[in-house]
Amino acid sequence: DTGVSQNPRHKITKRGQNVTFRCDPISEHNRLYWYRQTLGQGPEFLTYFQNEAQLEKSRLLSDRFSAERPKGSFSTLEIQRTEQGDSAMYLCAREAGGSGELFFGEGSRLTVL
Amino acid sequence: TQLLEQSPQFLSIQEGENLTVYCNSSSVFSSLQWYRQEPGEGPVLLVTVVTGGEVKKLKRLTFQFGDARKDSSLHITAAQPGDTGLYLCAGERAGGTSYGKLTFGQGTILTVHP
Repeated sequence: DTGVSQNPRHKITKRGQNVTFRCDPISEHNRLYWYRQTLGQGPEFLTYFQNEAQLEKSRLLSDRFSAERPKGSFSTLEIQRTEQGDSAMYLCAREAGGSGELFFGEGSRLTVL
Repeated sequence: TQLLEQSPQFLSIQEGENLTVYCNSSSVFSSLQWYRQEPGEGPVLLVTVVTGGEVKKLKRLTFQFGDARKDSSLHITAAQPGDTGLYLCAGERAGGTSYGKLTFGQGTILTVHP
């Protein structure tokens, strides 16, 4: 158990629909990360939060993507007007106290038809 | 172009064989981590190496960080079917300020046949 829970685990949607993923760390950790992993590739950094503040966003995160962490605990990642290229595994991770080591959730797999 | 190049991309071996996976870059990393991922699950951290030349052992797995902190290797002795999975190296670039903002290699898919 990595102490990170994600839901839904799987989401199938039609192109143009909006989807939201949720990440719940077991306790309130300072840093929370979102990564995206496409088939046959390693995860790619999307964004991270320190408490409520979103401190960095990758250029992979287009205007259709928005992430929040309203109370410094759980986080959501919303994708508006989904495209087939958004199909991927979306991974949330907590970082262990300044070590840079990440503990990932099980991921949310998105399929856009 | 991948910042971290892993080789080989695929490895299919028989139980009991030894294997080595390589992770190479032209960039210097302040630390390098190895993860193992099973289908449909998130990556699970195996080890972190920080010092150039460092060697860490985890049962049958041996991890090494290059002297210049640009490369790493994972060696598995007497592989078992339970070792099957995707192995990922990931690094934090030297001089970075965002702990946890990692660059991942594309992964090595290992299959160990009984």
